[in-house]
Amino acid sequence: GAVVSQHPSRVICKSGTSVKIECRSLDFQATTMFWYRQFPKQSLMLMATSNEGSKATYEQGVEKDKFLINHASLTLSTLTVTSAHPEDSSFYICSAAGGSQETQYFGPGTRLLVL
Amino acid sequence: KQEVTQIPAALSVPEGENLVLNCSFTDSAIYNLQWFRQDPGKGLTSLLLIQSSQREQTSGRLNASLDKSSGRSTLYIAASQPGDSATYLCAVSTSGTYKYIFGTGTRLKVLA
Repeated sequence: GAVVSQHPSRVICKSGTSVKIECRSLDFQATTMFWYRQFPKQSLMLMATSNEGSKATYEQGVEKDKFLINHASLTLSTLTVTSAHPEDSSFYICSAAGGSQETQYFGPGTRLLVL
Repeated sequence: KQEVTQIPAALSVPEGENLVLNCSFTDSAIYNLQWFRQDPGKGLTSLLLIQSSQREQTSGRLNASLDKSSGRSTLYIAASQPGDSATYLCAVSTSGTYKYIFGTGTRLKVLA
């Protein structure tokens, strides 16, 4: 099946710094990528949908200036958490979908801890 | 607004038992439904994908059914094994948006 990677897998940063997370589709072209957040013992919540070459669409309650998403190519999307605070500590998971968007393929996730 | 609920929230069974996990959704206008497995601290592994026009899908010891009109899906696991211990999530993709709305998950523990 299709493979999606995320980097880094784990990151610890100080409060106030910015963190960039990469999501790559390794063997297919992803016209759409999705970013999810998962707090401990909770389910995944969709943060935003990004289409290659256009601005991301954010879900209600997600601050677009805080969570910057760039989908510059058909194989790479990045999520930057700006001025991170401890409450941003979470598990961030991306998924990628091809042209038909019939199936989303999920990355392994990035665990962010903000001290 | 689509809401997805999974029952039970947690389940502990002895090895070898057959078990059923339930998923219900409020809006029947779905594109597809997918069952995932998530191990602690890990990402998602797709188990079964059911299109809205299908009634069930099978893979090995797993069988997923879909009753779109009643807003329900079940995941049947036959002859459970300790390696099946994980959190199982169902997610529905809404027609026209392809977004996935995830359920609350069922934490399964299979005892040896």
